[in-house]
Formats: sequence, structure tokens, C-alpha cells
Amino acid sequence: GENVEQHPSTLSVQEGDSAVIKCTYSDSASNYFPWYKQELGKRPQLIIDIRSNVGEKKDQRIAVTLNKTAKHFSLHITETQPEDSAVYFCAASDSTGRRALTFGSGTRLQVQP
Amino acid sequence: NAGVTQTPKFQVLKTGQSMTLQCAQDMNHNSMYWYRQDPGMGLRLIYYSASEGTTDKGEVPNGYNVSRLNKREFSLRLESAAPSQTSVYFCASSEARLGSGELFFGEGSRLTVL
Repeated sequence: GENVEQHPSTLSVQEGDSAVIKCTYSDSASNYFPWYKQELGKRPQLIIDIRSNVGEKKDQRIAVTLNKTAKHFSLHITETQPEDSAVYFCAASDSTGRRALTFGSGTRLQVQP
Repeated sequence: NAGVTQTPKFQVLKTGQSMTLQCAQDMNHNSMYWYRQDPGMGLRLIYYSASEGTTDKGEVPNGYNVSRLNKREFSLRLESAAPSQTSVYFCASSEARLGSGELFFGEGSRLTVL
């Protein structure tokens, strides 16, 4: 099955700095890579996803990059704000209907004002 | 439009007791899931149902059973609770086929087994 590793487990940045969270996956058949954000005490919510036919996707201050050769993908948050403080999860699947998403272990991001 | 609703939100059990977590979605989604969340371990899939009438084991199914009662409802049962099952449980649903689209999560159920 798929194995997704996520680093770092915790990340502290100053407001306005950039934050990068990295994930690696094991199954070369995986081609769908979403990122979820979970604020304290809340449910996880999708913030961005990428499919393997593109290498990068942006949505305002967040972007995701994908390197299929190396089997890793990353979340980039620019100009961080205190409301970006949350736990972020990466995930991977092959989108063929063969298996459900496999999640990484999460990164707790703290943005210091 | 309530989305995904799960009950109860909090529950304390003694070892050996049984209980059922209820989940319902009003988005007409085909796929439904149960995840557990433990510190430092992310979201781990317990069971899923790709469509009404089907259920399959996920990554950590031992000690649990599920029922896809109809298209809307997917329940998770602990027959004999153990302290290792202390966790936060999330139900989720998706319009897309298995593993290919956005998951919509419920608010979570915090279970403590003493």
C-alpha cells in the first residue's frame, strides 16, 4: 500500500515569512495529492490539491509543487498570517477508485505575530 | 444543508463497553469513510464504503465494525472498547470515486476509553 511521510512535524515562522511543508510518497501509481488544513478543534478542510499532469498549482498565497520522478510534493505558504496557524496534512492516492487517500502525519504550523 | 453530521461529539466508555458512532451526510455522496486521528499519526482510515451496499477495511480496522445503512448513513461500532481506541473519530464523505476528490469531514467525535 501507499506510505506518505511528512516533514517537519512542527514549524514556527514569523508573520510575513514563508513556510514550506514537504511530503514523500511510495506508490508510483499515485496521481492525486491534496492538502488539508485543520484549525484547532475543527474538522480538516481541503485547501488545495494537485494532480500528476501538472507540476505546480497556485491559489493566492498557497502553492503546491509536485516532483513525480522523486515522488515528493510540497506546500508553500507565502506572507504567512496568524490565521495560517493550524495543522496541515498532505495525502496521496491513485484516483482510479482502487484505494482511499493515505494521509501524512501532519505538520503543526505556528505563525508568530 | 448540514453537510456531514456525526454523533455523539463526546463519549466516555469503560473498557469492554460497546457503542456506535453515527454519521449522516446530506450531499448525496456515494463514498463515505471513518478515520481516527491520534497525536503525531495523522488521519488513519478505519473503514470505508465506496457506494451504498459495500464496505471495505482500511488501514486500522481491528476492533471496529461498520454499517452502510443507506446512501446517507454510515455507522461505526466498537463491540468491546479498549483504551487503545481512545481517539478522535472523523466521518467523511466524497462525491468523487474512491480516493479521487475532496473529502468533506464531520466535526469529529472524541472518544475516551478508561
